[in-house]
Amino acid sequence: NAGVTQTPKFQVLKTGQSMTLQCAQDMNHNSMYWYRQDPGMGLRLIYYSASEGTTDKGEVPNGYNVSRLNKREFSLRLESAAPSQTSVYFCASSENPSGIVWADEQFFGPGTRLTVL
Amino acid sequence: AQSVSQHNHHVILSEAASLELGCNYSYGGTVNLFWYVQYPGQHLQLLLKYFSGDPLVKGIKGFEAEFIKSKFSFNLRKPSVQWSDTAEYFCAVNAKGNNRLAFGKGNQVVVIP
Repeated sequence: NAGVTQTPKFQVLKTGQSMTLQCAQDMNHNSMYWYRQDPGMGLRLIYYSASEGTTDKGEVPNGYNVSRLNKREFSLRLESAAPSQTSVYFCASSENPSGIVWADEQFFGPGTRLTVL
Repeated sequence: AQSVSQHNHHVILSEAASLELGCNYSYGGTVNLFWYVQYPGQHLQLLLKYFSGDPLVKGIKGFEAEFIKSKFSFNLRKPSVQWSDTAEYFCAVNAKGNNRLAFGKGNQVVVIP
């Protein structure tokens, strides 16, 4: 039982390049989330998926897209990377058996450290 | 808008000292409250949570937090810290009906042996 896994662990991009961050969970959780963590800013929600087949914008969605590929996987795509997207990206999941998002503990992955030059 | 404030971003203390980290939020309705910890180089883990019931919540590793509704606060405490408690601590709040979990900016805690 690996929990939440993320790939890659580290990535360096040039401005304008694109990439996809992968996230998978093996806990049969309904909801999944993407956050970015910047020094002194805490965690900020980029996008979330309350259940398979749905996605919604969070606090800072500009410059990102997401895909809930199936119940296990939730990917984050940067179409044209910018230096302002240099950050640590965390994926998380939660069970939410009642279907009420945000009412349950979130389990976090190890993070992807992204640098955009 | 829902916001979470954590004070004293950097805290340095010696082993066996007591620790208290403040967390205040801005929403007046029903809330779910969390404290997460991030050890150096690791991902966030849940320390404790409050949904309802006894406002004094006990978590892992000897941590506890008290929900004081009248003060909109959920302060984290540990009576005697260890070097292994060196980490960053995040308070998080969900206001029921709001589609997000708002995180505070974190407290960087360093425990000196």
